[in-house]
Amino acid sequence: LAKTTQPISMDSYEGQEVNITCSHNNIATNDYITWYQQFPSQGPRFIIQGYKTKVTNEVASLFIPADRKSSTLSLPRVSLSDTAVYYCLVGVDYNTDKLIFGTGTRLQVFP
Amino acid sequence: DAGVTQSPTHLIKTRGQHVTLRCSPISGHKSVSWYQQVLGQGPQFIFQYYEKEERGRGNFPDRFSARQFPNYSSELNVNALLLGDSALYLCASSLGVTGDSGYTFGSGTRLTVV
Repeated sequence: LAKTTQPISMDSYEGQEVNITCSHNNIATNDYITWYQQFPSQGPRFIIQGYKTKVTNEVASLFIPADRKSSTLSLPRVSLSDTAVYYCLVGVDYNTDKLIFGTGTRLQVFP
Repeated sequence: DAGVTQSPTHLIKTRGQHVTLRCSPISGHKSVSWYQQVLGQGPQFIFQYYEKEERGRGNFPDRFSARQFPNYSSELNVNALLLGDSALYLCASSLGVTGDSGYTFGSGTRLTVV
């Protein structure tokens, strides 16, 4: 399983674009990259998933370079409600299908 | 449609006691997974059940056990509670045995062991 490295925390202000980068140097050929968002005392919520290049949905964009050794979650024009922990996950354990969470990035959005 | 529901939302137990946590998956989902999340850490995998059979187990002691019922709901049991078992216990359901269709998490049960 590919290990992921993300910043422990980030600060931003309302209306700004936030980019959170995740490093995954030993990503496997068939691994997808998935991002989850978690608010305090709630379960993680799926945000976006991608394999290569760029993926965009109504919530975020995911940029993946050609070598796939990193990925960047982009949140456009954040609001206070985007304050949460963001997890980057790469692949799953194919024996148990478990998700492997790191410590995530704690995003704090200020007014 | 109701999402993944977990009960109770909070509970306090004493060291050495036993606890049972419950999870109802999204209607139609046949796979249930359990995760433990201690403060400041990401969720850690405990168990996965699919069609009432255990499909995976994380690195947790035998004090932790689980089962899945014919209606696909699930229970997580923890015996001989330790202070270190204090955590948010999360249940996630998915349509099939793999997460290709995505996982949906419940809001969790906050267990405090005193």
